[in-house]
Amino acid sequence: DGGITQSPKYLFRKEGQNVTLSCEQNLNHDAMYWYRQDPGQGLRLIYYSQIVNDFQKGDIAEGYSVSREKKESFPLTVTSAQKNPTAFYLCATNRGRKPDEKLFFGSGTQLSVL
Amino acid sequence: AQSVTQLDSHVSVSEGTPVLLRCNYSSSYSPSLFWYVQHPNKGLQLLLKYTSAATLVKGINGFEAEFKKSETSFHLTKPSAHMSDAAEYFCVVETSGTYKYIFGTGTRLKVLA
Repeated sequence: DGGITQSPKYLFRKEGQNVTLSCEQNLNHDAMYWYRQDPGQGLRLIYYSQIVNDFQKGDIAEGYSVSREKKESFPLTVTSAQKNPTAFYLCATNRGRKPDEKLFFGSGTQLSVL
Repeated sequence: AQSVTQLDSHVSVSEGTPVLLRCNYSSSYSPSLFWYVQHPNKGLQLLLKYTSAATLVKGINGFEAEFKKSETSFHLTKPSAHMSDAAEYFCVVETSGTYKYIFGTGTRLKVLA
């Protein structure tokens, strides 16, 4: 069954803790993206990667880190430096061959602070 | 830098009346433009996209959008709203071939019976 798998669905972070959100895809897409969704603010780009072992900062990268060691995987770490991490996090992919390609989205992870 | 502005955070229409959701973008280059829809507790779905082939773009579920370069706009319209159209709509821009997709803040559409 092809698609994008985000896990966990719900995640709780304690103060001072780093947490990692998983995004795995079996669509054979080159490009992967992390967005944060907050009510009234739409989706804001955190990081994106067009190829393995390379990634770029989006508009709100501070307090986040990523890696792209495999084509299928693009994990996002929310560090303790991110002071307001409560949000819905969406992973997206596309082939990355042309700019007009649509994005495919995972089902998201809701992160909350304890 | 590229950006996109959705001019209305909420729009209410009666069932059977036209829908207009407004989007303006800023870009130094010819952009790729998209509209996505997010129904409550559902994933994001592509409605339509502009890729310079034609300025009037038709999408799914009767929606269409017109690219107006002189006005830097890409407004979404539908002739007759249906209850099932109630959702949040996002305008998205990509410019310069950066593969960086920027979302607007969204417009929540409410359809009244």
